[in-house]
Amino acid sequence: AQSVTQPDIHITVSEGASLELRCNYSYGATPYLFWYVQSPGQGLQLLLKYFSGDTLVQGIKGFEAEFKRSQSSFNLRKPSVHWSDAAEYFCAVGGDNSGYALNFGKGTSLLVTP
Amino acid sequence: KAGVTQTPRYLIKTRGQQVTLSCSPISGHRSVSWYQQTPGQGLQFLFEYFSETQRNKGNFPGRFSGRQFSNSRSEMNVSTLELGDSALYLCASSLAGTGVRTGELFFGEGSRLTVL
Repeated sequence: AQSVTQPDIHITVSEGASLELRCNYSYGATPYLFWYVQSPGQGLQLLLKYFSGDTLVQGIKGFEAEFKRSQSSFNLRKPSVHWSDAAEYFCAVGGDNSGYALNFGKGTSLLVTP
Repeated sequence: KAGVTQTPRYLIKTRGQQVTLSCSPISGHRSVSWYQQTPGQGLQFLFEYFSETQRNKGNFPGRFSGRQFSNSRSEMNVSTLELGDSALYLCASSLAGTGVRTGELFFGEGSRLTVL
């Protein structure tokens, strides 16, 4: 069965500090992995995606993520967090046979302090 | 270019009633997917439509249904509402109809349903 685990429900970081959000997945076939961000009252916006190839992927807003097959992880990172990054972050997994049916993690809420 | 438009944005219903939510995809997009978002269960896939055909369905009871029209607009309906149906219902559209590898999902802002 496919599933996504985001171990951290809430994370607080200081503005300018680095950020890493954890994501672990379980998927029987080749996983397609995604990170989305949701600001209050908004829909989801795609930050980055991984299908195959280079395990370090770059996304929008200065985010990057690293795919580690051996650890079934796809952690999201940003070297320097801005106050505007405060939001809810979701990791998701899909595959060739699942169309647009993504399996999402429960999300990590990011708070950025001055 | 307008994004995904969902109406209504907010609505309140009582148990036993039914509700219809509407989604207008980005112009030219032919694939529409629906998700339910609740604090307890998170984001869960409801169904996916392409060219008026349901291509995929999540694990929801038959009270949840949907359809897509020839202009790609989609509606979802929930009958005999229960308290647990209170959620943010998100619609997403995509240009391609072959899955997430070939077409990015663009999400609307959602319709927030409260069931009393």
